[in-house]
Amino acid sequence: GESVGLHLPTLSVQEGDNSIINCAYSNSASDYFIWYKQESGKGPQFIIDIRSNMDKRQGQRVTVLLNKTVKHLSLQIAATQPGDSAVYFCAEKGKLGGYQKVTFGTGTKLQVIP
Amino acid sequence: EAGVAQSPRYKIIEKRQSVAFWCNPISGHATLYWYQQILGQGPKLLIQFQNNGVVDDSQLPKDRFSAERLKGVDSTLKIQPAKLEDSAVYLCASSSTRGRVVNEQFFGPGTRLTVL
Repeated sequence: GESVGLHLPTLSVQEGDNSIINCAYSNSASDYFIWYKQESGKGPQFIIDIRSNMDKRQGQRVTVLLNKTVKHLSLQIAATQPGDSAVYFCAEKGKLGGYQKVTFGTGTKLQVIP
Repeated sequence: EAGVAQSPRYKIIEKRQSVAFWCNPISGHATLYWYQQILGQGPKLLIQFQNNGVVDDSQLPKDRFSAERLKGVDSTLKIQPAKLEDSAVYLCASSSTRGRVVNEQFFGPGTRLTVL
């Protein structure tokens, strides 16, 4: 069956260091992969996405890498700040009939140490 | 621009009682989603609407859950009767489908349901 999951449930990073959050997926037919950030008591917030035919995409302080050979996705956060503390979810988007369906993984909690 | 609105923010009920949640998406967003998020897990899609039509309700427990979006704008999700395992945060999200591919879903703050 389809699944999207994460290797590490909790990641602790020193403020100013770079963070790398990993995700494994199994559905090679997905069109897009998406990262969301969820702060405590709030709904998830879109960070960045990457199309399946790309292997890298950069945003502001974030980079997403896609390795289709090993079905692995990562989110890199540069110069991690206390405000980056949250749970990060990867999600995959694929076709369901004539529409697109998004499936979320289980999440990684990022703790930034001041 | 106003975000996705949800109410109530918190609800505590006894098992076998009924409960309803309300969502008002971002104006103009054709697609509306209801997710269930159990503590420590990622959101699980319950139902997806495109305007007032259901696109996907494959994971909606239809014997107890129902949802509607009659006018293609706001939506309600109902649970009747509730079970202990329904305790979760219920998230509503919306997205636009105009023009280019849009992957961003805008989430509301959620309703935290506790079933005792």
